[in-house]
Amino acid sequence: SYVLTQPPSVSVAPGQTARITCGGDNFGSKSVHWYQQRPGQAPGVVVYDDSDRPSGIPERFSGSNSGNTATLTISRVEAGDEADYYCQVWDSSRDHVLFGGGTKLTVV
Amino acid sequence: QVQLVQSGAEVKKPGASLKVSCKASGYTFTNYAMHWVRQAPGQRLEWMGWIHGGNGNTKYSQRFQDRVTISRDTSASTAYMELRGLRSGDTAIYYCARKMRSYWYFDYWGQGTLITVSS
Repeated sequence: SYVLTQPPSVSVAPGQTARITCGGDNFGSKSVHWYQQRPGQAPGVVVYDDSDRPSGIPERFSGSNSGNTATLTISRVEAGDEADYYCQVWDSSRDHVLFGGGTKLTVV
Repeated sequence: QVQLVQSGAEVKKPGASLKVSCKASGYTFTNYAMHWVRQAPGQRLEWMGWIHGGNGNTKYSQRFQDRVTISRDTSASTAYMELRGLRSGDTAIYYCARKMRSYWYFDYWGQGTLITVSS
């Protein structure tokens, strides 16, 4: 079955750039979406369709998808960005939604 | 504004069933699909299935398809998720989430319902 692989954790200093990856086979044919989940809260989308941002999401959040890897990039990281981040795709072959394992972003 | 309000936390015994509700407001319920996602303590998000608010068509994750039923009441703009044969591993927060119409992502989420399975 299709699997999405994320690093369990990423650490970054305030003001630096965080990059969170999501790996999967033949990713180029799929749209990847990214969610931020703060402790005790429901997830919220920060990037959709590989690189688009919903209204209200800062430009510091950007996404890309190439080959077998999608990347969420957070520029000028702030303490408030500390959260779990999940990638998500729709697996059309099985009509199933898949989530990555999640990456805990720590701002040190 | 769009809101998804879920029913409250429950404690269930092993073998029992649960039914969580998700009341939608602020949009036309029949124009969107509603999905259910769960998250066990400290674990990843796990997709369970979805229902189309208009025609009622459903699709379930293979992992749950023998135990889950998703339904809706259009007159109440409410979706329901029933899970049978509960076991301790079903202890989780259960979320409903609205799927964006043109894309396969979720633009609004309920607040989550904590279900604890314990004898």
